[in-house]
Amino acid sequence: GAVVSQHPSWVICKSGTSVKIECRSLDFQATTMFWYRQFPKQSLMLMATSNEGSKATYEQGVEKDKFLINHASLTLSTLTVTSAHPEDSSFYICSARVPLSGDGYTFGSGTRLTVV
Amino acid sequence: AQRVTQPEKLLSVFKGAPVELKCNYSYSGSPELFWYVQYSRQRLQLLLRHISRESIKGFTADLNKGETSFHLKKPFAQEEDSAMYYCALSAYNNAGNMLTFGGGTRLMVKP
Repeated sequence: GAVVSQHPSWVICKSGTSVKIECRSLDFQATTMFWYRQFPKQSLMLMATSNEGSKATYEQGVEKDKFLINHASLTLSTLTVTSAHPEDSSFYICSARVPLSGDGYTFGSGTRLTVV
Repeated sequence: AQRVTQPEKLLSVFKGAPVELKCNYSYSGSPELFWYVQYSRQRLQLLLRHISRESIKGFTADLNKGETSFHLKKPFAQEEDSAMYYCALSAYNNAGNMLTFGGGTRLMVKP
């Protein structure tokens, strides 16, 4: 089936630095990708929706300048956490809509970010 | 705005017992609902969706528009069913189609 590859699976960074998370669709073209954040023992919260070649649409309360999303190609979307702080530590998951699948979605394996 | 509610954070049953994970939704349009499962240390994966009306791993879910529910059921739980289960609703927003997740229910099947 359709697979989304997400890297890195975990990252530790210092406060104030930036971290880039990549999400690639391996065997299909993902015109739309979604970025979620998941706190421990909580559900997935949609952060933003990115469409290839256009600006991402951010959910209310999500800082656009802190969470930079780029979707420059049909197979790659990136999320950059800029000037990271400990409160940004979380589990980030990307997802893509699988074309011709009756509105199915496939998910990346997630990235655990720890800011120290 | 759409909303998905899973009232139980944790559901613990014994092996062989029936299990029902509750999901209620609110959405003004015609809903498209899904159940996703996340096994320990694995990515989220689709379990089933209401439009296909199929049974996966013995699980079924029926959309009840009158009660705005999409409960997940299995007649005889197995230990390998232990996982996090998320109910999700597909809806349109400014950016197109998107999934809204419920809070999740952790199912623990005891031997």
